[in-house]
Amino acid sequence: DAGVTQSPTHLIKTRGQHVTLRCSPISGHKSVSWYQQVLGQGPQFIFQYYEKEERGRGNFPDRFSARQFPNYSSELNVNALLLGDSALYLCASSLTTDLNYGYTFGSGTRLTVV
Amino acid sequence: DQQVKQNSPSLSVQEGRISILNCDYTNSMFDYFLWYKKYPAEGPTFLISISSIKDKNEDGRFTVFLNKSAKHLSLHIVPSQPGDSAVYFCAASGSGGSNYKLTFGKGTLLTVNP
Repeated sequence: DAGVTQSPTHLIKTRGQHVTLRCSPISGHKSVSWYQQVLGQGPQFIFQYYEKEERGRGNFPDRFSARQFPNYSSELNVNALLLGDSALYLCASSLTTDLNYGYTFGSGTRLTVV
Repeated sequence: DQQVKQNSPSLSVQEGRISILNCDYTNSMFDYFLWYKKYPAEGPTFLISISSIKDKNEDGRFTVFLNKSAKHLSLHIVPSQPGDSAVYFCAASGSGGSNYKLTFGKGTLLTVNP
């Protein structure tokens, strides 16, 4: 069975550009969450989507947006990239919004902004 | 304001000995706690969790202890193996409307020496 898949694995962008990161959840999982992990820090919550609706949002600026598609895959979009957006972006899928059922993380997308 | 704290950035133990990783939290609304292990270039992998109604949970070599009054939890690994060398993250989720996201600590790098 495929786990959570994220693409691309690595990405280099220039300040001011836009980026789209993609995530496919485990089959049967209807919830996708996005986290940002800056070097030396733990992952920080960005969004959770469930059944194509946003169910939670972390403390990130409006430059960050996301959506979930009918097949439960998801995209994270970041506009007007800043150097500080350089990080590992993790996608996690779960059966429902309740974390007592657990999360499975993908391997992440390493974004470098130059 | 860091709500989940892992005050030891690193820990080194000998193979076969016990590894004890500590975590403190400040938010009284947290009621579910998880430990994740992360290897370089991979996403975090779920290890073990504990609900606030319990004070101990075991799974093989891994045991998590929760002291609610002290807002402290610890992960014990016995016996430690070289393959356990990784970054360990403590994470917490809240009850009711805030159980959709995890709040992570900064992580502790565990090195198990042969």
